[in-house]
Amino acid sequence: QSALTQPASVSGSPGQSITISCTGTSSDIGDYKYVSWYQQHPGKAPKVMIYEVSNRPSGVSNRFSGSKSGNTASLTISGLQAEDEADYYCSSYTGRILEFGGGTKLTVL
Amino acid sequence: QVQLVQSGAEVKKPGASVKVSCKASGYTFTAYYIHWVRQAPGQGLEWMGWINPNSGGTNYAQKFQDSVTMTRDTSISTAYMELNRLRSDDTAVYYCTRDPYGGNFDYWGQGTLVTVSS
Repeated sequence: QSALTQPASVSGSPGQSITISCTGTSSDIGDYKYVSWYQQHPGKAPKVMIYEVSNRPSGVSNRFSGSKSGNTASLTISGLQAEDEADYYCSSYTGRILEFGGGTKLTVL
Repeated sequence: QVQLVQSGAEVKKPGASVKVSCKASGYTFTAYYIHWVRQAPGQGLEWMGWINPNSGGTNYAQKFQDSVTMTRDTSISTAYMELNRLRSDDTAVYYCTRDPYGGNFDYWGQGTLVTVSS
């Protein structure tokens, strides 16, 4: 059982927007700015899409955005594309301990 | 270019140990922490801990405190993760990953499949 709670699955049609939530506690997400989001395609290593809650690494589409409110972080993908279909994981880092969410499978209909 | 290249797949018997290597290139090895993350078949990501290649200092997830040892050899820019007393539920792909700061894993190894089976 993961410390961070994500929905098991979300879905959307091409062009639509979806949001994936990641709920923790005041001891992790609520207290630290080091929240990241990872995309993982089958058989591949994860790829960072968002770091420090809302920052996008160079090369990541601006269709991906992140935010945080209280103990919940969110990843929003706008203008869904077929290639966005993947598993998404949130993580929270205290500087010593890191936790992952259980993962969310995104299906593009 | 930055690369993390891991050792090959392993098959081990329950109770044995496994040591996975992660060779870094394309950057200053001692400047970035290395974390280890595993993923059991069909399951999510599980953080195991980190090593500071500069000092050799480590920090392990509580679950792995008594079973994992992370080391490094700066002369060959390689980090190691050794897992002891293997059980069948240790069967997983093990990844090393680089952390510039804040748990922001920007580069990953290709993964090493460790299979534990009698």
